[in-house]
Amino acid sequence: QITLKESGPTLVKPTQTLTLTCTFSGFSLSTSGVGVGWIRQPPGKALEWLALIYWDDDKRYSPSLKSRLTITKDTSKNQVVLTMTNMDPVDTATYYCAHRRDPGGRFDPWGQGTLVTVSS
Amino acid sequence: QSVLTQPPSVSGAPGQRVTISCTGSSSNIGAGYDVHWYQQLPGTAPKLLIYGNSNRPSGVPDRFSGSKSGTSASLAITGLQAEDEADYYCQSYDSSLSGSGYVFGTGTKVTVL
Repeated sequence: QITLKESGPTLVKPTQTLTLTCTFSGFSLSTSGVGVGWIRQPPGKALEWLALIYWDDDKRYSPSLKSRLTITKDTSKNQVVLTMTNMDPVDTATYYCAHRRDPGGRFDPWGQGTLVTVSS
Repeated sequence: QSVLTQPPSVSGAPGQRVTISCTGSSSNIGAGYDVHWYQQLPGTAPKLLIYGNSNRPSGVPDRFSGSKSGTSASLAITGLQAEDEADYYCQSYDSSLSGSGYVFGTGTKVTVL
């Protein structure tokens, strides 16, 4: 059974850097084809894909947020870390990590999500 | 910034059939990338409902079905039930001159009357 769980601060100040950790079990990020992605959802709004890291350390970022995002993995700890710089109140959202699988690049399953509020 | 467009809401009485459209373009759905659908019940994380345009994961009732044609995709719910009241999102991959990556639809709220 695959599970993922997000952890990190619930409140960050504007201009600060957000660091979120996704801890997973039930699969290995060294297995060919596997990936872990981050998706966020502002309150009452739609899902937005942020970043994804593949088993071979290939990294992909949302073109609109690429300059602010960094995704890394620690295979030995079964963790994926996302950092987002220069946080703004519009970045207030629930942040999800999810297991990416083939074929087709679907996200299944998802973590429970963590709400991050950006406010001074 | 969603590049996949869905109707904001659809509704139907119990037992009826409803459909949700997901309209993309030649850089995503029309380019041949798979479309996946997710169900998000209130206060919970999204759950995969349909993958690879028309496939149901184990445990998903067969009253949920998906299809794809050209630059669009659709999700149909037949025999609508009260427990189907949720938000639904389509997802695909987009590759254009401005960059590439995964994209989600604008989301559709399904209301059971």
